[in-house]
Amino acid sequence: GENVEQHPSTLSVQEGDSAVIKCTYSDSASNYFPWYKQELGKRPQLIIDIRSNVGEKKDQRIAVTLNKTAKHFSLHITETQPEDSAVYFCAARRLSGYALNFGKGTSLLVTP
Amino acid sequence: DAGVIQSPRHEVTEMGQEVTLRCKPISGHDYLFWYRQTMMRGLELLIYFNNNVPIDDSGMPEDRFSAKMPNASFSTLKIQPSEPRDSAVYFCASSRSTPPLTEAFFGQGTRLTVV
Repeated sequence: GENVEQHPSTLSVQEGDSAVIKCTYSDSASNYFPWYKQELGKRPQLIIDIRSNVGEKKDQRIAVTLNKTAKHFSLHITETQPEDSAVYFCAARRLSGYALNFGKGTSLLVTP
Repeated sequence: DAGVIQSPRHEVTEMGQEVTLRCKPISGHDYLFWYRQTMMRGLELLIYFNNNVPIDDSGMPEDRFSAKMPNASFSTLKIQPSEPRDSAVYFCASSRSTPPLTEAFFGQGTRLTVV
């Protein structure tokens, strides 16, 4: 089955700095890569996703890049703010019919 | 839409008791997933259904765990007998197969504590 590795497990940055979280996956057939944000005590919620026919996607301060050859994808958050503090999960999946396989999560702390 | 609804939000039970967690997926979604979240293991997939049929239950820890989906709007996850190591947050999520590659929506989760 799919195995998703995520690094780092914890990340602390100062407000205004950039944060980068990296993930690798094992199943070359995976073609959907979402990122979820989970605030303390809340449910995971999708913040951005990318499909395998695209190499990069941007949404305001958040961007995701995908390298299918190397089987890795990354989340980039620029101009971080304290409200970005949360646990971020990457995931990978094949076409519909398969479940999302999640990385172990990255706890991001943005200090003022 | 009210989103994915789970109940109860919190459950405290004694070891050996039966626990039933409930989930109502988003209307029109044909996939339903049960995940367990712990600090040590992160988000683990337990089982998922498509059109009420279990597709993959390889993540179910052991025979003490069982899940059902009697209709498109309701699913249960049962633990019998419960053990302290089952303490975790259990999430239900749903998604639809068309259009393909769409997101999974999570419920608020059930925090289970087995004492």
